[in-house]
Parts: sequence; structure tokens; C-alpha cells
Amino acid sequence: DAKTTQPNSMESNEEEPVHLPCNHSTISGTDYIHWYRQLPSQGPEYVIHGLTSNVNNRMASLAIAEDRKSSTLILHRATLRDAAVYYCILRASHGSGNTGKLIFGQGTTLQVKP
Amino acid sequence: EAGVAQSPRYKIIEKRQSVAFWCNPISGHATLYWYQQILGQGPKLLIQFQNNGVVDDSQLPKDRFSAERLKGVDSTLKIQPAKLEDSAVYLCASSLTTSGADTQYFGPGTRLTVL
Repeated sequence: DAKTTQPNSMESNEEEPVHLPCNHSTISGTDYIHWYRQLPSQGPEYVIHGLTSNVNNRMASLAIAEDRKSSTLILHRATLRDAAVYYCILRASHGSGNTGKLIFGQGTTLQVKP
Repeated sequence: EAGVAQSPRYKIIEKRQSVAFWCNPISGHATLYWYQQILGQGPKLLIQFQNNGVVDDSQLPKDRFSAERLKGVDSTLKIQPAKLEDSAVYLCASSLTTSGADTQYFGPGTRLTVL
């Protein structure tokens, strides 16, 4: 399974944008890039995912490098509720031996200061 | 839409005792996952079901852990006998399919403390 590399921790000020990086140099052409986050004492929750193009949803934006070896999760205006562990995960597409399981790394712990 | 339900939320037992956790996935989700999350680490998959069949249990300590998903809906995860190192949060998740583009939805987890 392809691995990802993320910084252990990052800090941000409230109401400022946050850019969370993820390196995945061994990504295959059919791997989706997923981001989940885990708030304290809760289960992980889905944030966003993409394959090749940049993606936007109500929670965040995902910027994917042209060579797909890295990506960045963008929170446009961080709030105190965004303080969480953010996981960048690669998932193989259906039909390529993929069982759908998520392989979590250590993730990035985001602190948001008021 | 109701989310993934888990019970109990907390459980404290002594080593060598047995314990069981229950999960009710989102209605219509064929795939169900059990993850173990040790403090300070990311979740690790223990077992995955597709309907009521096991797809992946390669990381399940089968000498003490067992799981079933009768009728392809609810699932139970059992530990017997428990060890100190089993202290962790046990997370249940479900998804419609195993597609790489699909989303997994997680329950709140059961925090197990083994004394």
C-alpha cells in the first residue's frame, strides 16, 4: 500500500487560511487521495478526496500537484472547531485488488489559536 | 440520515475477562470495518466485512479476537480473554462499496480500558 508523509504538527491562527501538506511519491495512477480528520474523542470524519484535479467542497479544498506526488488540504478560514488530527490517505480504485480499507499514518495535529 | 452507532461508549474490565462491542452501520451499507486505535496512533484495521462475509482479517489477533456480522447488518467484536495491550478505542465504520472513491463513515468508538 502506498504511503504518505505529513508533518507531525502545525499551528494556525483563527480565521486565517491553513495549508496542510502531504507527500505521496509512490502514488499509483489509480490511487485516490483522501483526507479525513479526527476531532478529540470522536471517530474520524471524511473531509475531501480527489484523483487528479483540484477539488472544493463546503469543508475544504484539495490541491493536487501535477505529478500527483504531493497534495495540500486547504482550510480557507480556520476556526477553533478545526483543531484536529488530519490524515492524508491513499486508496486504490475499485477492481485493482483494493478492499477499501483505510491505512492511517500518524497524521498532522492542527492547533488553532484564538 | 442516522450515522454509525456503537455501544457501549466506554468499558473498563480486568485482564483475562471478556468483552463485546456492538456496531450498527448506516442503512444499506454493504461494507463494515472494525478498527483499533491505540492512544497516540492512527486507527488500524482489524477486520472488514462485505455483507456477512469476511474480506480482510489479516490484522485480527484470532487467538483472542472474534467478529461476526449476522444477516449482513449489525456486527459484534469480541475479545476473550483481554490483555492489557488491548486498551484502545475500537471504531466501527461503514461504506456503500469498497470503491477507492467511496467515503467511510465512522462511529464514535468504544473506549476500552483493561486493568
